Amino acid sequence: SQQGEEDPQALSIQEGENATMNCSYKTSINNLQWYRQNSGRGLVHLILIRSNEREKHSGRLRVTLDTSKKSSSLLITASRAADTASYFCATAPRDNYGQNFVFGPGTRLSVLP
Amino acid sequence: GAGVSQSPRYKVAKRGQDVALRCDPISGHVSLFWYQQALGQGPEFLTYFQNEAQLDKSGLPSDRFFAERPEGSVSTLKIQRTQQEDSAVYLCASSLARGGSYNEQFFGPGTRLTVL
Repeated sequence: SQQGEEDPQALSIQEGENATMNCSYKTSINNLQWYRQNSGRGLVHLILIRSNEREKHSGRLRVTLDTSKKSSSLLITASRAADTASYFCATAPRDNYGQNFVFGPGTRLSVLP
Repeated sequence: GAGVSQSPRYKVAKRGQDVALRCDPISGHVSLFWYQQALGQGPEFLTYFQNEAQLDKSGLPSDRFFAERPEGSVSTLKIQRTQQEDSAVYLCASSLARGGSYNEQFFGPGTRLTVL
């Protein structure tokens, strides 16, 4: 069963706008990661945020983590058509020694030119 | 350098057939994961290897599913007596260190299995 839930399930925006996706999870975690998947490149790692971190940036990506609410958000600024893809959050449960990994169902982002 | 590769990329099987899916991780990567991804869903964890040791197989859906990594590099996922509900994309991922989900994972392109 999947632990994470992304919100919204689908998002459609215009090129240049910002896109925000949210993720909730259920158990204590070691870290939370965001991945992107499109038909051309498969699943690609975007960013990892550890449980003792609150915010992380990578280029046009900004991730926040609130462990008290068991939630995370991914912000993509100045979106491009090439950002069209499905975005997944995934969590490493704290007590599984890095041997397990739980993905959410994903947010399908469409960036219109 | 070479990434994670999987073969075959596509497999069509008749219900009841056995299939074997191969994963070649990045050279030197200690951790290896297998996932099952149904259409429109996120990947679901199947099993985890640290070198040749299968440390977590809690996600394998039935005893028809078997995975191995005998020399700590190439891994094979075998599905016996395939059923239609086994139709999915099977993804393999590797990570440099042990405790693979504590770090970035590198995914292969997947094998799309269709069971008729």
